[in-house]
Amino acid sequence: QKEVEQDPGPLSVPEGAIVSLNCTYSNSAFQYFMWYRQYSRKGPELLMYTYSSGNKEDGRFTAQVDKSSKYISLFIRDSQPSDSATYLCAMYKGGKLIFGQGTELSVKP
Amino acid sequence: DVKVTQSSRYLVKRTGEKVFLECVQDMDHENMFWYRQDPGLGLRLIYFSYDVKMKEKGDIPEGYSVSREKKERFSLILESASTNQTSMYLCASRPHDKRGRTGELFFGEGSRLTVL
Repeated sequence: QKEVEQDPGPLSVPEGAIVSLNCTYSNSAFQYFMWYRQYSRKGPELLMYTYSSGNKEDGRFTAQVDKSSKYISLFIRDSQPSDSATYLCAMYKGGKLIFGQGTELSVKP
Repeated sequence: DVKVTQSSRYLVKRTGEKVFLECVQDMDHENMFWYRQDPGLGLRLIYFSYDVKMKEKGDIPEGYSVSREKKERFSLILESASTNQTSMYLCASRPHDKRGRTGELFFGEGSRLTVL
């Protein structure tokens, strides 16, 4: 079993939809939780960063962490075509970052 | 802004060739990493380095080696390229945990290697 599981999609939604991206993990030692966004033919860039259970908001994006269930989510409100990208969850422990497989999102105009 | 530069965006090599992938960062980061990214498998860590001349194996080091002679430069070497090493290679860097958000990585744009 992988330490971090993420549905690879692809996920296709109409513009304006609410998008929910999710990851589960098996190791309770993970300390920090991140979401990276990767546009086509580019490297990943950090989108959201959190270290505790609960919600964190940044504009149209909300990151949610539930440590008791070992589950993290990224919500995108009012999705835009410019949000079309691959979204990778990542978790930190012991000096290393462990990534999920990435979910490919397409937002159609 | 942090800049991580990978010298080659696209490479095509033949089986058995020696391949060098170069990465340079301009933010004085101590830590540097090489990942490969494959569909359905996500990012997998090949090697990382905490300091000059130091290297540590990641999860899939077989068939690869690295070199870190200067703080800003981290090279990935494929001694004898094979077709199963066709992939996107991503270099990343980050400062020691005391300087910045723990675990946050800064990535280059990637080097897409095709081995024929």
